[in-house]
Amino acid sequence: EIVLTQSPATLSLSPGERATLSCRASQSVSIYLAWYQQKPGQAPRLLIYNASNRAAGIPARFSGSGSGTDFTLTISSLEPEDFAVYYCQQRSNWPSGSFGQGTKLEIK
Amino acid sequence: QVQLVESGGGVVQPGRSLRLSCAASGFTFSDYAMHWVRQAPGKGLEWVAVISYDGTNEYFADSVKGRFTISRDNSKNTLHLQMNSLRPEDTALYYCTRDSSGWSGFFDYWGQGTLVTVSS
Repeated sequence: EIVLTQSPATLSLSPGERATLSCRASQSVSIYLAWYQQKPGQAPRLLIYNASNRAAGIPARFSGSGSGTDFTLTISSLEPEDFAVYYCQQRSNWPSGSFGQGTKLEIK
Repeated sequence: QVQLVESGGGVVQPGRSLRLSCAASGFTFSDYAMHWVRQAPGKGLEWVAVISYDGTNEYFADSVKGRFTISRDNSKNTLHLQMNSLRPEDTALYYCTRDSSGWSGFFDYWGQGTLVTVSS
């Protein structure tokens, strides 16, 4: 089983700042990694797939990078609506897949 | 616009069964694999099951294998999850999700979820 570990668990930043979220896999997942955003009371939303491809309608301030075991989601300049929980997900061993435990991005 | 609407959740005793449904609209349902993903209260996400666009292939998480089945009716644009031998650890919000590209394993549209509570 591939385990995804996200860090930090909580990130406290102010609007306008740059956010860097990390996801580390217990073994290589190549580029088969996605990022989702979840706000309270809402379903998750796909942001990034295949490590660096933005999903339809996702603002350019969101970017993903990495391959193998280390991945990063970067939000270049935080907007008030970006404060949420972010999950990474791998599908390297498809049709099985797994999610990280999440990073909560909160307003400082 | 793409819409996924789940139904069928509720409170059920351990060992009993429940059938979830998902009504899809706004896209050609028969072109996409479909998944169920769940989220226990206050916890993270867990992929549960997937069915191919034509219903010929199905896969399950180890945690539900042998207890859950997945099916679809492309004539009615409906997805189902039959849950048998339910356990307290199956308590979660169950999301119906669309595969983002054929058989990609990523989820580009999500319903709002239906809550399943397994408790005596």
